[in-house]
Amino acid sequence: EAGVAQSPRYKIIEKRQSVAFWCNPISGHATLYWYQQILGQGPKLLIQFQNNGVVDDSQLPKDRFSAERLKGVDSTLKIQPAKLEDSAVYLCASSLLRGSSYNSPLHFGNGTRLTVT
Amino acid sequence: EDKVVQSPLSLVVHEGDTVTLNCSYEVTNFRSLLWYKQEKKAPTFLFMLTSSGIEKKSGRLSSILDKKELFSILNITATQTGDSAIYLCAVEADRGSTLGRLYFGRGTQLTVWP
Repeated sequence: EAGVAQSPRYKIIEKRQSVAFWCNPISGHATLYWYQQILGQGPKLLIQFQNNGVVDDSQLPKDRFSAERLKGVDSTLKIQPAKLEDSAVYLCASSLLRGSSYNSPLHFGNGTRLTVT
Repeated sequence: EDKVVQSPLSLVVHEGDTVTLNCSYEVTNFRSLLWYKQEKKAPTFLFMLTSSGIEKKSGRLSSILDKKELFSILNITATQTGDSAIYLCAVEADRGSTLGRLYFGRGTQLTVWP
């Protein structure tokens, strides 16, 4: 089974620039998540999709972050404009069906390491 | 505010030692607790615990949950250098639907020296 694919692996940008990350979940996984992991901390949920609908974006800084999952498969996460504190690893994860880990655990991609200078 | 606390934050041991990692939580509408291992890349799933007192085992790793005292432990026996990683504890909270949210702790950085 192919895992969760993310790109790019690394990105370095200057503050106030924009950046986009891409995620392709495991085939058949209806639920997709974007997490932000700042160095030394655990992952923090940014947004959760069920198919192509948003079910939780309460922790997404909507003034600068946006995400979409057109057609219920691939997803992109965008930051515009970036700030220094956005430096982190952005992890994409997916899970089966209802998206609850009660039914199946999350499977993570390798992440995109973003450095904002 | 929901919270997951792991201890210790870092641990250094020698090969062959046994380690115990702790995770305590304060989460409304607890649903499940999960352990992940994170090396340089993606966190990989280890265990999911939903019931108190039932030990889950996988090789040298085992974990148990205490829902009364609100904590879980992850044990690793006969540690190897390949066990060096960050171990993440996450708790799923029921938000009134089938779609729970995961709250992660900061992780325990385990280093195993040869």
